[in-house]
Amino acid sequence: DIQMTQSPSSLSASVGDRVTITCRTSQSISNYLNWYQQKPGKAPNLLIYTASRLQTGVPSRFSGSGSGTDFTLTISSLQPEDFATYYCQQSYSTPDTFGQGTKLEVK
Amino acid sequence: QVQLQESGPGLVKPSETLSLTCTVSGGSISSYYWSWIRQPAGKGLEWIGRVFSDGSTNYNPSLKSRVTMSVDTSKNQFSLKLSSVTAADTAVYYCARFTLIVVDAFDIWGHGTMVTVSA
Repeated sequence: DIQMTQSPSSLSASVGDRVTITCRTSQSISNYLNWYQQKPGKAPNLLIYTASRLQTGVPSRFSGSGSGTDFTLTISSLQPEDFATYYCQQSYSTPDTFGQGTKLEVK
Repeated sequence: QVQLQESGPGLVKPSETLSLTCTVSGGSISSYYWSWIRQPAGKGLEWIGRVFSDGSTNYNPSLKSRVTMSVDTSKNQFSLKLSSVTAADTAVYYCARFTLIVVDAFDIWGHGTMVTVSA
């Protein structure tokens, strides 16, 4: 299985901050890396697919980059609705695996 | 737009079989992978497996011996069976659509259904 390591596990930030979350994989996955946002009691929601493509309807303040084993999710200017948990996921090979999550909290 | 809805018992006894169904509305079940993903309370996401619209399957090796997935295209539904459950199988179970090619991601999710394993 491909192991996913997200950092940090939690992050405190303020509205308007620029935030970056990192995901590292145990082997190269090309660009088969996706990012999801999950709010309490809700299902995850796809933000970014294939490392850098913005899912329809997702605000442009979200962006993704990377390839191979190192990837980042950036929120350019945090909004109140962005405080949530974020997960990376690889779709390069089954079993699909997820990072452990990054909880973004209000500072 | 396409929506997914999980259904099934919220309580299952240890050693019994957990059975869930996901109904796809607003679109066809054909030509997509349909997955089950679970999340224990306060923990991360675990992929259980997927079934294609032609009935072919892939399972997580960690659960493979206990998992069966199937699809019913006439009802636009797909199903999960997990046998010999224990308390460790207590979780919120999500069904999700995996769109292969271009997206290669879980782009549509059900709301999730909580399943508790307890006597």
